[in-house]
Amino acid sequence: GAVVSQHPSRVICKSGTSVKIECRSLDFQATTMFWYRQFPKKSLMLMATSNEGSKATYEQGVEKDKFLINHASLTLSTLTVTSAHPEDSSFYICSASDSSGSSYEQYFGPGTRLTVT
Amino acid sequence: AQTVTQSQPEMSVQEAETVTLSCTYDTSESDYYLFWYKQPPSRQMILVIRQEAYKQQNATENRFSVNFQKAAKSFSLKISDSQLGDAAMYFCAYNRDDKIIFGKGTRLHILP
Repeated sequence: GAVVSQHPSRVICKSGTSVKIECRSLDFQATTMFWYRQFPKKSLMLMATSNEGSKATYEQGVEKDKFLINHASLTLSTLTVTSAHPEDSSFYICSASDSSGSSYEQYFGPGTRLTVT
Repeated sequence: AQTVTQSQPEMSVQEAETVTLSCTYDTSESDYYLFWYKQPPSRQMILVIRQEAYKQQNATENRFSVNFQKAAKSFSLKISDSQLGDAAMYFCAYNRDDKIIFGKGTRLHILP
């Protein structure tokens, strides 16, 4: 149980275009989903926290107009990188928190590698 | 602010031997959770072990165990009988109020 999927697993886009990444909880309802960014050989950096039906909370230094997050249902959150630039190239990971759990455990998706050319 | 420190960027251990990965954290809270996550080359984050701060007993999961020293704010991971499949990045993490703070990670190499 507690499976989180991400789509696509890899995406290449041209500079100036927008790209959407989906994060789905497959077998549980996730009231809270999280988006992380991971640079090569670095740790995960939390970008934002999204709660179903409300606006996402962004971490300091993360541009909310650049990284649009939507959490329209208890099983789906999307991250849209708008007007992407090469410096946005990175590995993006989502996670989801089981609303019925009490251990603050997060279940992670397999990640999406974004390359902006 | 909460911080998590892993002082060993890389470690190596002989197959079948035991290795301990260090982690310290800083918090003013009394109730929180600590985790060790494994990230293999596939980059999928895998939960290795979880410790609840209010429990004094150290968590154990098969070959993985922790040494949780709350007063010292230390949370080390011991891997016994190391296997080739244990080679990965290991991240220590702190969680309270649904927000996980990760350490910078320790890359573990298993020597055959």
